[in-house]
Amino acid sequence: GNSVTQMEGPVTLSEEAFLTINCTYTATGYPSLFWYVQYPGEGLQLLLKATKADDKGSNKGFEATYRKETTSFHLEKGSVQVSDSAVYFCALTLSGYSTLTFGKGTMLLVSP
Amino acid sequence: DTGVSQDPRHKITKRGQNVTFRCDPISEHNRLYWYRQTLGQGPEFLTYFQNEAQLEKSRLLSDRFSAERPKGSFSTLEIQRTEQGDSAMYLCASVGGTDTQYFGPGTRLTVL
Repeated sequence: GNSVTQMEGPVTLSEEAFLTINCTYTATGYPSLFWYVQYPGEGLQLLLKATKADDKGSNKGFEATYRKETTSFHLEKGSVQVSDSAVYFCALTLSGYSTLTFGKGTMLLVSP
Repeated sequence: DTGVSQDPRHKITKRGQNVTFRCDPISEHNRLYWYRQTLGQGPEFLTYFQNEAQLEKSRLLSDRFSAERPKGSFSTLEIQRTEQGDSAMYLCASVGGTDTQYFGPGTRLTVL
Protein backbone atom coordinates (compact mmCIF):
# COMPACT_ATOMS: atom_id res chain seq x y z
CA GLY A 1 0.00 0.00 0.00
CA ASN A 2 0.88 3.66 -0.05
CA SER A 3 2.37 5.37 2.98
CA VAL A 4 4.17 8.52 4.04
CA THR A 5 6.61 8.77 6.92
CA GLN A 6 7.63 12.09 8.43
CA MET A 7 10.11 12.93 11.13
CA GLU A 8 8.50 13.29 14.51
CA GLY A 9 8.17 16.68 16.08
CA PRO A 10 8.09 19.08 17.51
CA VAL A 11 10.93 20.74 15.69
CA THR A 12 12.03 23.72 17.73
CA LEU A 13 14.14 26.42 16.05
CA SER A 14 15.20 29.98 16.61
CA GLU A 15 14.22 32.62 14.09
CA GLU A 16 16.46 32.67 10.99
CA ALA A 17 17.61 29.08 11.52
CA PHE A 18 17.70 26.53 8.69
CA LEU A 19 14.81 24.09 8.52
CA THR A 20 14.66 20.53 7.26
CA ILE A 21 11.66 18.26 7.74
CA ASN A 22 12.23 14.77 6.40
CA CYS A 23 9.61 12.91 4.41
CA THR A 24 9.87 9.50 2.78
CA TYR A 25 7.20 7.58 0.96
CA THR A 26 6.17 4.17 -0.28
CA ALA A 27 3.94 4.01 -3.31
CA THR A 28 2.81 1.59 -5.99
CA GLY A 29 3.47 3.62 -9.08
CA TYR A 30 4.63 7.18 -9.61
CA PRO A 31 3.05 9.55 -7.12
CA SER A 32 2.67 13.28 -7.04
CA LEU A 33 4.04 14.68 -3.80
CA PHE A 34 2.78 17.55 -1.70
CA TRP A 35 3.52 19.58 1.39
CA TYR A 36 0.56 21.07 3.20
CA VAL A 37 0.67 23.44 6.18
CA GLN A 38 -1.91 23.71 8.93
CA TYR A 39 -2.07 26.67 11.29
CA PRO A 40 -3.79 26.24 14.67
CA GLY A 41 -7.54 25.73 14.34
CA GLU A 42 -7.49 25.92 10.56
CA GLY A 43 -7.70 23.61 7.57
CA LEU A 44 -4.81 22.60 5.34
CA GLN A 45 -3.17 24.95 2.90
CA LEU A 46 -1.14 23.70 -0.04
CA LEU A 47 2.46 24.83 0.39
CA LEU A 48 4.14 23.23 -2.62
CA LYS A 49 4.04 20.20 -4.87
CA ALA A 50 6.07 18.16 -7.36
CA THR A 51 4.64 15.78 -9.89
CA LYS A 52 7.64 13.88 -11.22
CA ALA A 53 11.14 12.82 -10.28
CA ASP A 54 13.73 15.61 -9.88
CA ASP A 55 11.03 18.30 -9.86
CA LYS A 56 11.52 20.99 -7.24
CA GLY A 57 8.49 22.57 -5.66
CA SER A 58 8.91 25.97 -4.04
CA ASN A 59 6.77 28.58 -2.35
CA LYS A 60 7.29 31.31 0.28
CA GLY A 61 10.96 30.38 0.69
CA PHE A 62 10.19 26.67 1.22
CA GLU A 63 11.57 24.08 -1.19
CA ALA A 64 11.34 20.33 -1.67
CA THR A 65 12.84 18.12 -4.37
CA TYR A 66 11.22 14.88 -5.55
CA ARG A 67 13.93 12.21 -5.17
CA LYS A 68 12.81 8.97 -6.75
CA GLU A 69 16.03 7.11 -5.93
CA THR A 70 15.64 7.73 -2.20
CA THR A 71 11.80 7.98 -2.27
CA SER A 72 12.04 11.26 -0.41
CA PHE A 73 10.56 14.75 -0.50
CA HIS A 74 12.27 16.67 2.29
CA LEU A 75 11.05 20.18 3.09
CA GLU A 76 13.67 22.93 3.54
CA LYS A 77 13.76 26.62 4.27
CA GLY A 78 16.88 28.70 4.62
CA SER A 79 15.67 31.10 7.29
CA VAL A 80 12.52 30.43 9.30
CA GLN A 81 10.28 33.06 10.84
CA VAL A 82 8.03 32.96 13.88
CA SER A 83 5.06 33.05 11.51
CA ASP A 84 6.17 29.69 10.06
CA SER A 85 5.16 27.97 13.29
CA ALA A 86 2.56 25.39 12.23
CA VAL A 87 2.09 21.71 11.50
CA TYR A 88 3.50 20.50 8.18
CA PHE A 89 2.09 17.47 6.38
CA CYS A 90 3.74 15.52 3.59
CA ALA A 91 1.31 13.72 1.29
CA LEU A 92 1.08 11.76 -1.92
CA THR A 93 -1.48 10.89 -4.53
CA LEU A 94 -1.13 8.41 -7.34
CA SER A 95 -3.30 10.15 -9.86
CA GLY A 96 -5.72 13.01 -10.15
CA TYR A 97 -8.55 10.68 -9.23
CA SER A 98 -7.16 9.04 -6.14
CA THR A 99 -7.10 10.16 -2.56
CA LEU A 100 -4.30 11.84 -0.68
CA THR A 101 -2.27 9.75 1.74
CA PHE A 102 -0.83 11.88 4.51
CA GLY A 103 1.98 11.53 6.98
CA LYS A 104 1.27 12.18 10.64
CA GLY A 105 2.52 15.74 10.47
CA THR A 106 5.48 17.56 12.00
CA MET A 107 4.96 20.49 14.31
CA LEU A 108 7.38 23.39 13.85
CA LEU A 109 7.86 25.89 16.64
CA VAL A 110 9.96 28.98 15.89
CA SER A 111 10.98 31.27 18.72
CA PRO A 112 12.12 34.90 18.37
CA ASP B 1 -12.55 31.70 -6.72
CA THR B 2 -13.76 32.04 -3.14
CA GLY B 3 -12.19 28.84 -1.85
CA VAL B 4 -13.76 25.83 -0.19
CA SER B 5 -16.15 26.69 2.63
CA GLN B 6 -17.51 24.48 5.38
CA ASP B 7 -20.34 24.96 7.81
CA PRO B 8 -20.48 24.90 10.76
CA ARG B 9 -16.92 25.51 11.89
CA HIS B 10 -17.60 23.99 15.28
CA LYS B 11 -20.26 21.58 16.48
CA ILE B 12 -20.78 20.28 19.99
CA THR B 13 -23.32 17.51 20.40
CA LYS B 14 -24.35 14.86 22.87
CA ARG B 15 -23.71 11.20 22.28
CA GLY B 16 -26.50 9.61 20.29
CA GLN B 17 -27.52 12.76 18.42
CA ASN B 18 -27.34 13.17 14.65
CA VAL B 19 -25.20 15.87 13.05
CA THR B 20 -24.85 17.16 9.50
CA PHE B 21 -22.00 19.12 7.98
CA ARG B 22 -21.95 21.03 4.73
CA CYS B 23 -19.14 21.65 2.25
CA ASP B 24 -19.23 24.12 -0.63
CA PRO B 25 -16.41 23.41 -3.06
CA ILE B 26 -14.65 25.81 -5.36
CA SER B 27 -16.99 26.67 -8.19
CA GLU B 28 -16.80 24.21 -11.10
CA HIS B 29 -14.58 21.74 -9.26
CA ASN B 30 -16.09 18.39 -10.13
CA ARG B 31 -14.32 16.28 -7.52
CA LEU B 32 -14.97 16.53 -3.79
CA TYR B 33 -13.34 14.63 -0.93
CA TRP B 34 -14.13 14.23 2.77
CA TYR B 35 -11.39 13.49 5.30
CA ARG B 36 -11.32 13.03 9.06
CA GLN B 37 -8.46 14.29 11.20
CA THR B 38 -7.97 13.31 14.82
CA LEU B 39 -5.62 15.06 17.22
CA GLY B 40 -1.97 14.58 16.33
CA GLN B 41 -2.69 12.68 13.14
CA GLY B 42 -2.82 13.43 9.45
CA PRO B 43 -6.15 13.52 7.64
CA GLU B 44 -7.66 10.15 6.71
CA PHE B 45 -9.81 9.65 3.64
CA LEU B 46 -13.53 9.05 4.14
CA THR B 47 -15.24 9.36 0.78
CA TYR B 48 -15.02 10.92 -2.67
CA PHE B 49 -17.47 12.29 -5.24
CA GLN B 50 -17.09 13.02 -8.89
CA ASN B 51 -19.95 15.35 -9.69
CA GLU B 52 -22.95 13.79 -7.93
CA ALA B 53 -21.62 10.23 -7.97
CA GLN B 54 -20.04 8.82 -4.82
CA LEU B 55 -17.18 6.79 -6.30
CA GLU B 56 -15.20 5.60 -3.31
CA LYS B 57 -15.76 5.02 0.40
CA SER B 58 -13.21 4.20 3.06
CA ARG B 59 -13.59 1.41 5.59
CA LEU B 60 -13.63 4.25 8.14
CA LEU B 61 -17.06 5.23 6.85
CA SER B 62 -19.30 3.08 9.02
CA ASP B 63 -22.99 2.66 8.31
CA ARG B 64 -23.69 5.57 10.68
CA PHE B 65 -22.05 7.90 8.17
CA SER B 66 -23.67 9.02 4.96
CA ALA B 67 -22.60 11.58 2.40
CA GLU B 68 -24.40 13.16 -0.49
CA ARG B 69 -23.67 15.59 -3.26
CA PRO B 70 -26.94 16.41 -4.96
CA LYS B 71 -26.58 18.15 -8.30
CA GLY B 72 -22.82 17.87 -8.08
CA SER B 73 -22.38 21.11 -6.17
CA PHE B 74 -22.30 21.26 -2.36
CA SER B 75 -21.96 18.12 -0.28
CA THR B 76 -23.28 17.04 3.10
CA LEU B 77 -21.85 14.55 5.56
CA GLU B 78 -24.24 13.17 8.15
CA ILE B 79 -23.32 11.16 11.22
CA GLN B 80 -26.14 9.33 12.94
CA ARG B 81 -26.11 8.26 16.59
CA THR B 82 -22.84 10.01 17.29
CA GLU B 83 -20.25 8.38 19.53
CA GLN B 84 -17.40 9.96 21.45
CA GLY B 85 -14.97 8.38 19.00
CA ASP B 86 -16.47 10.52 16.23
CA SER B 87 -14.93 13.62 17.79
CA ALA B 88 -12.52 14.95 15.17
CA MET B 89 -11.98 17.63 12.55
CA TYR B 90 -13.91 16.87 9.34
CA LEU B 91 -12.22 18.32 6.29
CA CYS B 92 -13.54 18.80 2.80
CA ALA B 93 -11.40 19.28 -0.30
CA SER B 94 -12.19 19.95 -3.93
CA VAL B 95 -10.25 19.34 -7.12
CA GLY B 96 -10.60 20.85 -10.56
CA GLY B 97 -8.47 20.06 -13.58
CA THR B 98 -5.27 19.10 -11.76
CA ASP B 99 -4.47 16.66 -8.98
CA THR B 100 -4.21 19.39 -6.37
CA GLN B 101 -6.76 19.20 -3.56
CA TYR B 102 -7.83 22.49 -2.02
CA PHE B 103 -9.07 22.19 1.55
CA GLY B 104 -11.73 24.02 3.47
CA PRO B 105 -11.26 25.25 7.06
CA GLY B 106 -12.86 22.12 8.51
CA THR B 107 -15.67 21.40 10.96
CA ARG B 108 -14.55 20.48 14.45
CA LEU B 109 -16.97 18.02 16.05
CA THR B 110 -17.01 17.40 19.78
CA VAL B 111 -19.23 14.61 21.07
CA LEU B 112 -19.93 14.80 24.79
